[in-house]
Amino acid sequence: DIQMTQSPSSLSASVGDRVTITCRASQGISNSLAWYQQKPGKVPKLLIYAASTLHSGVPSRFSGSGSGTDFTLTISSLQPEDVATYYCQKYNSAPFTFGPGTKVDIK
Amino acid sequence: EVQLVESGGGLVQPGGSLRLSCSASGFTFSSNPMHWVRQAPGKGLEYVSAISNIGGTTYYADSVKGRFTISRDNSKNTLYLQMSSLRAEDTAVYYCVRRVGGYSDWGQGTLVTVSS
Repeated sequence: DIQMTQSPSSLSASVGDRVTITCRASQGISNSLAWYQQKPGKVPKLLIYAASTLHSGVPSRFSGSGSGTDFTLTISSLQPEDVATYYCQKYNSAPFTFGPGTKVDIK
Repeated sequence: EVQLVESGGGLVQPGGSLRLSCSASGFTFSSNPMHWVRQAPGKGLEYVSAISNIGGTTYYADSVKGRFTISRDNSKNTLYLQMSSLRAEDTAVYYCVRRVGGYSDWGQGTLVTVSS
């Protein structure tokens, strides 16, 4: 099975900072990658699918890139409401594995 | 508006069984693959199982294969997860998820606690 890794596991940044999270697949998955945001105590929400397509209603400060095995999620200007854990997920084929998550908070 | 409402969670002893249900509305249920995802307390998201739109194809994570069975009744717009031989490590919030590209819609989740 394909394994998903994320880095860093956590980060602390200031409001307005540019934040980048990396996700790596152990084998190529084309662009079949999604990113989710889960705020504390809340249900996860889809941010990005097909590696770079913004889901409806997601602020434009979020963006995704990558293909094959290496992917990134970027928050162009971190806002207080972005405090959350972010997960990547492969969905090219079963099993639809999630990455371990990256916890983002405000410095 | 898409709505997914899970039910059936609760406290069960190790080795016991439980059936989760997910009632769907706001979209054409029979057109979408459906999935179950779980999250143990304080842990990350874990894919559990998936079923094709007409139920002909099913998938399972290795951790639940042979113990869990996913099914759906498109006439009732309902997704199910039959769980048996439950273990302490199955304790989690179980989410019903609609897949359109990524997991576009999530239920609120139902808590399953496996403990004696």
